[in-house]
Amino acid sequence: QVQLQESGPGLVKPSETLSLTCSVSGDSVSSYYWSWIRQTPGKGLEWIGNINYSGNSNYNPSLKSRITISVDTSKNQFSLRLSSVTAADTAVYYCARIMITFGGVHGMDVWGQGTTVTVSS
Amino acid sequence: DIQMTQSPSSLSASVGDRVTITCRASQSISTYLNWYQQQPGKAPKLLMYAASSLQSGVPSRFSGSGSGTDFTLTISSLQPEDFATYYCQQSSTITFTFGPGTKVDV
Repeated sequence: QVQLQESGPGLVKPSETLSLTCSVSGDSVSSYYWSWIRQTPGKGLEWIGNINYSGNSNYNPSLKSRITISVDTSKNQFSLRLSSVTAADTAVYYCARIMITFGGVHGMDVWGQGTTVTVSS
Repeated sequence: DIQMTQSPSSLSASVGDRVTITCRASQSISTYLNWYQQQPGKAPKLLMYAASSLQSGVPSRFSGSGSGTDFTLTISSLQPEDFATYYCQQSSTITFTFGPGTKVDV
């Protein structure tokens, strides 16, 4: 059974860089595409970006200048870095696996439990 | 970017009701439309993919339809565990987008 677990600091100071890691168990990070999504308090879901096993990534245009998503196949994990954070980046951050079939790219079928990150001094 | 809208933003229903939620894309996305259910404090759960394909383990009272720009999620007979927020999401482009959500409550 595939499981994803987010980890990283729960508190980040304004203007600093938010760094999160998603550890994958029960499957190989080399076999799929992976995604980061966030949810601000009381609000909806916002897609942050995707990455595949070879490191090819796609980012939300509204966040693109501040995002880096990377993959570490040796550790079977992938990571998110979001720079120059503000209070608006306070959210629950989820990592997820992207479902791909012969029909194409679909939704996220396996999710981590989410980790809350607060931006505050 | 493709924008997604949902209607209604919230609805009140009772156990046993038939519930329909609509999702609209700002441009054609073929059938690259996915639906999620989110319970409070939990991660979203994939219900439907490719507009009308039921994800493994999801009850058959859930169904989806549509193509192009207009899509629907239907719950044929609402159960107590179905009170939640539902999101649509397009995967037609390499940059995904979610709808704003529809909250289903009592």
